[in-house]
Amino acid sequence: GAVVSQHPSRVICKSGTSVKIECRSLDFQATTMFWYRQFPKKSLMLMATSNEGSKATYEQGVEKDKFLINHASLTLSTLTVTSAHPEDSSFYICSASVSHYEQYFGPGTRLTVT
Amino acid sequence: KQEVTQIPAALSVPEGENLVLNCSFTDSAIYNLQWFRQDPGKGLTSLLLIQSSQREQTSGRLNASLDKSSGRSTLYIAASQPGDSATYLCAVQETSGSRLTFGEGTQLTVNP
Repeated sequence: GAVVSQHPSRVICKSGTSVKIECRSLDFQATTMFWYRQFPKKSLMLMATSNEGSKATYEQGVEKDKFLINHASLTLSTLTVTSAHPEDSSFYICSASVSHYEQYFGPGTRLTVT
Repeated sequence: KQEVTQIPAALSVPEGENLVLNCSFTDSAIYNLQWFRQDPGKGLTSLLLIQSSQREQTSGRLNASLDKSSGRSTLYIAASQPGDSATYLCAVQETSGSRLTFGEGTQLTVNP
């Protein structure tokens, strides 16, 4: 079946630094990738949608200069949290889809900003 | 704006019991509805996907129904087991290839 990986699975960084999270589709080419954020015991909130080779579309309230998304190839999208703050600590999950078929989710990345 | 609500927020049952989780959505013009399972600190596992033209889907002990006109879906779990303990999320997709809108989930605990 379709497999999506994320790296790293956990990361701890200091306030003010930047951290990059990778999302890879391992056995298929993803035309679209989605980035979600999940707070403890809360639902997933879509942050942005990215299509290969074009700029990401951000949801209302999500700062595009803080959460940089790059979808450089059909198998890789990256989310960079710039100048991280403790309130950015969260669980970040990506999903990938081929054309209009269902989304396949990655295992998530736990970010802790100290 | 589509909103998805799940009831109850938490549920604790003894092993072997049959149970029903509920999901409602405000805009009935959906493309599909999906049920996921999430274990603590983990990603999502897709359980069942129901297209808007379908009424139900079954997989093993799981059965999901969809009543699009009333904006409701249920996930039925038969003969629950401790291994079923997890958070169950429902999500709707409004058009093909579009974003998913998630409910806040039902945290299920099945006690041995």
